[in-house]
This record gives sequence, C-alpha cells and structure tokens, in this order.
Amino acid sequence: GAVVSQHPSWVICKSGTSVKIECRSLDFQATTMFWYRQFPKQSLMLMATSNEGSKATYEQGVEKDKFLINHASLTLSTLTVTSAHPEDSSFYICSAREAGGPTGWQYFGPGTRLTVT
Amino acid sequence: SQQGEEDPQALSIQEGENATMNCSYKTSINNLQWYRQNSGRGLVHLILIRSNEREKHSGRLRVTLDTSKKSSSLLITASRAADTASYFCATGRGSTLGRLYFGRGTQLTVWP
Repeated sequence: GAVVSQHPSWVICKSGTSVKIECRSLDFQATTMFWYRQFPKQSLMLMATSNEGSKATYEQGVEKDKFLINHASLTLSTLTVTSAHPEDSSFYICSAREAGGPTGWQYFGPGTRLTVT
Repeated sequence: SQQGEEDPQALSIQEGENATMNCSYKTSINNLQWYRQNSGRGLVHLILIRSNEREKHSGRLRVTLDTSKKSSSLLITASRAADTASYFCATGRGSTLGRLYFGRGTQLTVWP
C-alpha cells in the first residue's frame, strides 16, 4: 500500500515550452502533497506544499509563477514548469501525506527527470 | 541544504561491517526521519524518530536522536551490497505542518 506514482518518469523539452508533471497517490487519499527538486548528487530541496482545494505554499526563493502547482483532488497534484529554461533541468520528486496516516510520514514518488534543451 | 548536514558525505565499507551515518540540524524539530535513495530513484522511508524519543530500532537499522546536540545517527548493522544507496536525514518542524527539510546525504557503498 501507500504507493505514489509520477508521470512522466522523464521528459525532454525545448527551452520556452511548458511541461506538466503529475503526482498521484494510488491507494490512499493525500490531503497534502509536496514537491521537491534535486540536482545531481545533491539533496532534495522542498519547493512547495500543495493542499487539496487550496493554493500551494511556496518555499522562499521558489517562483510561484514559474512552477504552477494544482492539487485538484485528493489523489492528484500537478506541477507545471512554465517557459522552461535549461537551468530548470533537474529531478523533480513529489511526496504525499496520507489523510489520517501516521504523523510525519510521507510517501515519495519515483521522480521525474526533466531535461530542457 | 535547507536544514541539516550529514557526515560523512561518502562511506565505503565491506559487506558484514556496520555503517554509521550522522546528521546534524539547526532548528527545533518535531521528528527526524531517515530515507534511502537508490541512484536516480525516489525515496524510501526508513524510520521516523520523534523529538521525545532517544533511540529506535527497525530490523538492522538503529537510529539515535540527541536533541540537546541537535544530531542523529543511523547505524546499519551487518551491511549488505544491496544497502548501497544514498541516505538522507530529514527534519519535520512543528510550525510547518509536515514539511520536511533534507540534509545533503551520505553515499554509502558496500563492497561484496
């Protein structure tokens, strides 16, 4: 149980285009989802917290107009990288907290590797 | 990193040996969690220790937490080649409703 999927697992796009990444909780309801990005051989950096039915909360330094987050249902959150640039190339990982689940536990998706050319 | 630091950054041992990784953090926490990441993959939750706990065990894993020193350690006993991965600590803070802040991680290599 407690599986989180991401789609796509990898994507290559051209500079200036937008890319949407989906994060789904497959067998549980997630009131809160989180988006992270990770550069090679580095740690995960929290980008934003996504709550179902409300606006996302962005971490300091993360451009909300560039990284659009939508949490339309209890099982789906999307991250759209708008007007992508090569410096947006990274590994994007989502996680989800189960509604009523153990406090503090997050289940992570397998990640999406974005390459902007 | 957004919160913590792990050391060592890299650790290389032989199968059967124990591996110890340390994590230090800067602010007060609700809990501290350890995760494992295989190369290019998502994270797997290993263990969570709450701020009022000092030690926790799960199989071959032993985690300690010293809130006075703002540090934690992860011990993997009798390591196996399959334990080769990056290990991250992450802290959960009371005011941030579930947000986790990760350290830089320790790359563990276990040689057969």
